Amino acid sequence: ETVMTQSPATLSVSPGDRATLSCRASESVGSKLAWYLQKPGQAPRLLIYGASTRATGIPARFSGYGSGTEFTLTISSLQSEDFAVYYCQQYNNWPYTFGQGTKLEIK
Amino acid sequence: QVQLVESGGGLVKPGGSLRLSCAASGFTFSDYFMSWIRQAPGKGLEWISYISNSGFTIYYADSVKGRFTISRDNAKNSLSLQMNSLRAEDTAVYYCARVGDGYNSIDYWGQGTLVTVSS
Repeated sequence: ETVMTQSPATLSVSPGDRATLSCRASESVGSKLAWYLQKPGQAPRLLIYGASTRATGIPARFSGYGSGTEFTLTISSLQSEDFAVYYCQQYNNWPYTFGQGTKLEIK
Repeated sequence: QVQLVESGGGLVKPGGSLRLSCAASGFTFSDYFMSWIRQAPGKGLEWISYISNSGFTIYYADSVKGRFTISRDNAKNSLSLQMNSLRAEDTAVYYCARVGDGYNSIDYWGQGTLVTVSS
């Protein structure tokens, strides 16, 4: 099973600043990596797939980068609605696995 | 618009069974792979089962293999998850989810249904 490790566990950032979240895979997943955002009491929402392709309706302030085992999600100029938990997920091989999440909180 | 509505969750005793259903609308159900993903209270996400659009390809996570069965009825636009031999560690919110076209990540999620396994 491919283990996905996200860092940091919690990230404190001020509104308007940039946030960079990391995700590492225990083996290469190529570009088969997705990012999701989840707010309390809600289902997750797809942000990025294919490591860098924004999903439908996702604003340009969200950008994904990486391939192989190292990936980043960058959110430029944080808005209030961006404070949530973020998960990465690999879909290179079954079982498809998620990271443990990074909580993005207001500083 | 795409809608996925789960039903069937509830409280069940260890060793018991439960069947979850998901009613899909707003898209051509038979064109899409579907999945069940769960989230234990306060925990992360676990992708537990996956079914191709035809139903011929099915995957299970090791944690549920042999106990859970995924199925679909394309004529009724519905997805199901039969859960047997339930354990306390199966307690979670269960999400019905649509797999993106051309990429195996989830582009639409249901609102989730809570399954609690407790005596």
